[in-house]
Amino acid sequence: AQTVTQSQPEMSVQEAETVTLSCTYDTSESDYYLFWYKQPPSRQMILVIRQEAYKQQNATENRFSVNFQKAAKSFSLKISDSQLGDAAMYFCANIQGAQKLVFGQGTRLTINP
Amino acid sequence: GAVVSQHPSRVICKSGTSVKIECRSLDFQATTMFWYRQFPKQSLMLMATSNEGSKATYEQGVEKDKFLINHASLTLSTLTVTSAHPEDSSFYICSAKTGGGTNTEAFFGQGTRLTVV
Repeated sequence: AQTVTQSQPEMSVQEAETVTLSCTYDTSESDYYLFWYKQPPSRQMILVIRQEAYKQQNATENRFSVNFQKAAKSFSLKISDSQLGDAAMYFCANIQGAQKLVFGQGTRLTINP
Repeated sequence: GAVVSQHPSRVICKSGTSVKIECRSLDFQATTMFWYRQFPKQSLMLMATSNEGSKATYEQGVEKDKFLINHASLTLSTLTVTSAHPEDSSFYICSAKTGGGTNTEAFFGQGTRLTVV
């Protein structure tokens, strides 16, 4: 079975600092997508960033960027200049079987003012 | 991004009754919809995948007779929790995609908090 693993249940960072959330995954597919979702206290799932496996260049979206290591099956999320509004649960996810999103366990990110 | 509306956002029902949760894609046609369950402080667990006009595909361990899923149109999927019991209390989230393939973004509803008393 394909799996997504987030080994950091909780992380905290000072406001304006940089934090990296880790994610590893296992897949037998050669072409796939990886995602980071944010779930704030409202519990609405929000797409933060996505990475196409066939692209070597790491995806970036403003203050959010990824470090995609395909051989190592690693997909970490870096948040620069952390803001209070970044506090949330963050889920790493992988598309499985061309349809299903498989989520990691989640990392709760706290931003300290 | 596209909008997925889930209703109701909260529902309390008595044990033994059934409750229906609706998931609507408001500005796109959703060929595929997914239903997830999320326990407190845990991740989203996929319950089933539904394609418009066909039977839902349930994940292992999910009782199809208890969690009835209907995807009768390209904009509406419903999840009915039949004969609900307190252990069914949870947060249920739907998501929708416009088509197949790994590159199609999934859009999420705001979730439904079900409490069975």
